[in-house]
Amino acid sequence: LAKTTQPISMDSYEGQEVNITCSHNNIATNDYITWYQQFPSQGPRFIIQGYKTKVTNEVASLFIPADRKSSTLSLPRVSLSDTAVYYCLVGVDTGRRALTFGSGTRLQVQP
Amino acid sequence: NAGVMQNPRHLVRRRGQEARLRCSPMKGHSHVYWYRQLPEEGLKFMVYLQKENIIDESGMPKERFSAEFPKEGPSILRIQQVVRGDSAAYFCASSPIFLEDRGREQYFGPGTRLTVT
Repeated sequence: LAKTTQPISMDSYEGQEVNITCSHNNIATNDYITWYQQFPSQGPRFIIQGYKTKVTNEVASLFIPADRKSSTLSLPRVSLSDTAVYYCLVGVDTGRRALTFGSGTRLQVQP
Repeated sequence: NAGVMQNPRHLVRRRGQEARLRCSPMKGHSHVYWYRQLPEEGLKFMVYLQKENIIDESGMPKERFSAEFPKEGPSILRIQQVVRGDSAAYFCASSPIFLEDRGREQYFGPGTRLTVT
């Protein structure tokens, strides 16, 4: 799986938009980009997955530039409950292979 | 549709004892993955199983650890002769039999927190 680099931590306030960028310079042609969210004492939860351009769901948006060497997870109007660790993963067929988690980005949302 | 279930949620064992962790995948899922997470770290892959088959055990320590996913019943991660370094959160994930375009995610359980005293 392609190696990913993301900030160790980020701080934000309620109501703000949060953008977390992940670098994956060695992404392969068939790789997908997947983001997971993990709350303390819980298992990771799938947030969003994309291959190119923009993907949006009820939780977040994922922006992927044309070269696909990076991606940005965008959380609109965060609340205190969005405080969690966010993991960026890159790989193909991630429903059939081991996932490689980095250290993730620890997002702290303040009131 | 119940999610991935793991039990027990918390397990305390003395050094040298055996630990058995159970994982019931989501209904319709036949692929199970086990991960270990140390405090302040990301999850580390251990083993990937399908019913009655081990597909990938490249992340599993060679000694004391074993996993199975029988035809009937939950998947079991077994740790023999536990040591303090085995203390961690162990997460199980599952994925469905058939993958659609959007079906590439793994669904995680709540984890079992193992403490070795």
